[in-house]
Amino acid sequence: AQKVTQAQTEISVVEKEDVTLDCVYETRDTTYYLFWYKQPPSGELVFLIRRNSFDEQNEISGRYSWNFQKSTSSFNFTITASQVVDSAVYFCALRQSGAGSYQLTFGKGTKLSVIP
Amino acid sequence: DGGITQSPKYLFRKEGQNVTLSCEQNLNHDAMYWYRQDPGQGLRLIYYSQIVNDFQKGDIAEGYSVSREKKESFPLTVTSAQKNPTAFYLCASSISGQAVQPQHFGDGTRLSIL
Repeated sequence: AQKVTQAQTEISVVEKEDVTLDCVYETRDTTYYLFWYKQPPSGELVFLIRRNSFDEQNEISGRYSWNFQKSTSSFNFTITASQVVDSAVYFCALRQSGAGSYQLTFGKGTKLSVIP
Repeated sequence: DGGITQSPKYLFRKEGQNVTLSCEQNLNHDAMYWYRQDPGQGLRLIYYSQIVNDFQKGDIAEGYSVSREKKESFPLTVTSAQKNPTAFYLCASSISGQAVQPQHFGDGTRLSIL
């Protein structure tokens, strides 16, 4: 069975602060994919990034960066110099590879509030 | 513009009534999915379809039904057998059913009981 844990239910930061959202996962597969999605108040989920289990390089995209560490089964997401538009619920998700593995397993999400 | 369109945005169901949520995509994606989201929870998979005329149950399929007669359409029916249907329903699609492909989501339908 696979599982994703986002221990932080809610986080509040003041604008321009950096913030890290934690994600810890469990899986027995050696090949798997990790995803981050953003859900703004309007409701739709916006795809942010995909990482495969063979690639532990950290990734930076503008103010967003991701730290993938297989040794600790973590895939953390950092927003640098946060802005009010970053306020949303962020979901980490895991999908195993292999035949029959069609399920995206989501964490319960972290609600980020950026205060002006 | 390419994307996933869910309708209606808000839906109300009476006791004993079946209701159908629409999901249409013009991304030419083969795979489509339905998720349910409850407050403070992650998304849970109801049904998925890798290809036209084929679909599989997810974790919480009881009380729901789907059809996939056309590539671009994957409607979800919430039947009267679903005793707690109040939730936010999200439809998604991906290029294929392969794990590497990210799923892209619609804007959702919020279903409530009258």
